[in-house]
Amino acid sequence: KQEVTQIPAALSVPEGENLVLNCSFTDSAIYNLQWFRQDPGKGLTSLLLIQSSQREQTSGRLNASLDKSSGRSTLYIAASQPGDSATYLCAAFSGGYNKLIFGAGTRLAVHP
Amino acid sequence: DTGVSQDPRHKITKRGQNVTFRCDPISEHNRLYWYRQTLGQGPEFLTYFQNEAQLEKSRLLSDRFSAERPKGSFSTLEIQRTEQGDSAMYLCASSLGIGLAANTGELFFGEGSRLTVL
Repeated sequence: KQEVTQIPAALSVPEGENLVLNCSFTDSAIYNLQWFRQDPGKGLTSLLLIQSSQREQTSGRLNASLDKSSGRSTLYIAASQPGDSATYLCAAFSGGYNKLIFGAGTRLAVHP
Repeated sequence: DTGVSQDPRHKITKRGQNVTFRCDPISEHNRLYWYRQTLGQGPEFLTYFQNEAQLEKSRLLSDRFSAERPKGSFSTLEIQRTEQGDSAMYLCASSLGIGLAANTGELFFGEGSRLTVL
């Protein structure tokens, strides 16, 4: 059974810091891994998707890496801004399960 | 190109009433998913469809819950005899099924339908 864990659960940082959010999964037989952003009371916005054959993906100030052998993914946010404040969710798509399994998220607050 | 749309966005109901949520996926997507999310938690899988076939249901989906996707287009999620524990955000997502050439399997989510049961 796939389980996804995210550390830390919450993070508060001053503007401008570089951040690393961690995600671990128990079953390495994943099809892909997605990172999402969720603002309070809103749906999920897809940030990055890493295929199982890839090691990392980049979009603007965001970089996500994937290490299947260790069951880990990290989301790196460069030069954080107050507008980055949100909950960040990691989800693993296991082919055998045909669905995304989510972690509980990291709640990020970036203060000016 | 419209994304995934859900209706209603908010629903307040009294315990014991029935509620129905609708999801319109991205038009060319053959997979449709329903998730439930409670405060402070990640979304939990409820069920998914490939075209009109419901291929998997979670144990979270009790007998009071039913989902349909007639004609493989929009989907409805009905909750009968609502309970206070059903209060949550119900999220719908769609994707192209994996296994198709060059398909990443990326899921796209709607804005969700928030249910409050009094």
